[in-house]
Amino acid sequence: AQSVTQLDSQVPVFEEAPVELRCNYSSSVSVYLFWYVQYPNQGLQLLLKYLSGSTLVKGINGFEAEFNKSQTSFHLRKPSVHISDTAEYFCALSGGSNYKLTFGKGTLLTVNP
Amino acid sequence: DSGVTQTPKHLITATGQRVTLRCSPRSGDLSVYWYQQSLDQGLQFLIQYYNGEERAKGNILERFSAQQFPDLHSELNLSSLELGDSALYFCASSLRDGPPYEQYFGPGTRLTVT
Repeated sequence: AQSVTQLDSQVPVFEEAPVELRCNYSSSVSVYLFWYVQYPNQGLQLLLKYLSGSTLVKGINGFEAEFNKSQTSFHLRKPSVHISDTAEYFCALSGGSNYKLTFGKGTLLTVNP
Repeated sequence: DSGVTQTPKHLITATGQRVTLRCSPRSGDLSVYWYQQSLDQGLQFLIQYYNGEERAKGNILERFSAQQFPDLHSELNLSSLELGDSALYFCASSLRDGPPYEQYFGPGTRLTVT
């Protein structure tokens, strides 16, 4: 079975501060990893993905994530956040015999002025 | 705008009723996925279709069914509705099966069962 654990349900930060949203996964097979963002009353948008190769992945809006196989982690980072980054962030994985996405419970990032 | 459309945007219905949610994938995408987002269960995969055929099933109740039509649009049918079925239902589409083909999500249909 595959699972994704997002270690923080809520992360409040001040504008221009750095942020890290933590994600750990469990799988018996090789996985592909994703971070999605959901703004209020909207669908999910892909921020970045790890398929293979370099373990440091850069995405949209200045976000990046690092795949760590030994730690089974895929933490999302941004060096300086903006008010507009306030949203819910979901870590997800795909792997095995089908390509469904297994999501974590989400982390609500709130950026305060 | 992801290019995936879902109708209706909101749906309010009573327990015991049946509803149909519709999804039009991005032009050219062959694969359609359905997900349910609820407060207690989070985002869960329901079912996937690829070019008209069922490809994978997740935590989909027997009261729920889906299909993908020749024009590639998909419908999710929910019957004998219960209060617990209230949720946001997302459709996603991708060009082909699996990575590197990204899943693009629609805006969702919010179902409220009263």
